[in-house]
Amino acid sequence: DQQVKQNSPSLSVQEGRISILNCDYTNSMFDYFLWYKKYPAEGPTFLISISSIKDKNEDGRFTVFLNKSAKHLSLHIVPSQPGDSAVYFCAVNNDMRFGAGTRLTVKP
Amino acid sequence: NAGVTQTPKFQVLKTGQSMTLQCAQDMNHEYMSWYRQDPGMGLRLIHYSVGAGITDQGEVPNGYNVSRSTTEDFPLRLLSAAPSQTSVYFCASSYGESSYNEQFFGPGTRLTVL
Repeated sequence: DQQVKQNSPSLSVQEGRISILNCDYTNSMFDYFLWYKKYPAEGPTFLISISSIKDKNEDGRFTVFLNKSAKHLSLHIVPSQPGDSAVYFCAVNNDMRFGAGTRLTVKP
Repeated sequence: NAGVTQTPKFQVLKTGQSMTLQCAQDMNHEYMSWYRQDPGMGLRLIHYSVGAGITDQGEVPNGYNVSRSTTEDFPLRLLSAAPSQTSVYFCASSYGESSYNEQFFGPGTRLTVL
């Protein structure tokens, strides 16, 4: 059973525009969510996190939004840069589950 | 700090062979874990450890063994390799309670079982 779902395997955006990556989860008891970024041939690296007591967390160009009633979180990257091209995983730390990932391509 | 290191980077095994994937961290992290990454499946937790001498199973533990004799090292053993274990394996560590801390990942080991 996939308790953490990223339904878009890939996303392509133009440099300078906004990238929006989405993640859905099934268990309303989950209370801490993270986004990781992964380049080819490297391990994932932590990007940003959010606790269920918040609905938004910002770090520079990256913002994560949490909608608890919809069991949905999203990662916004503004403005997108070519160096942001990578696979992005959402994760739930409560039981260490990861989504399948979304491959973001930012075109110059 | 080297962070989380994994050896080897690549490995090819024949069905039935055994091997150990090595993982070490120099950040004095209590929590360590092993994941496998397969296409379309994301990362799935194999085993984890909350400290030296303590290990537990994750989502996909069958065919793998672990032990944690020191804080620094967390090796993953494949007892009798099968083609279904062809995957990329990542080791990770985190400070303290894993639920509310980011994990630091190693560079991965790409394993092919023929």
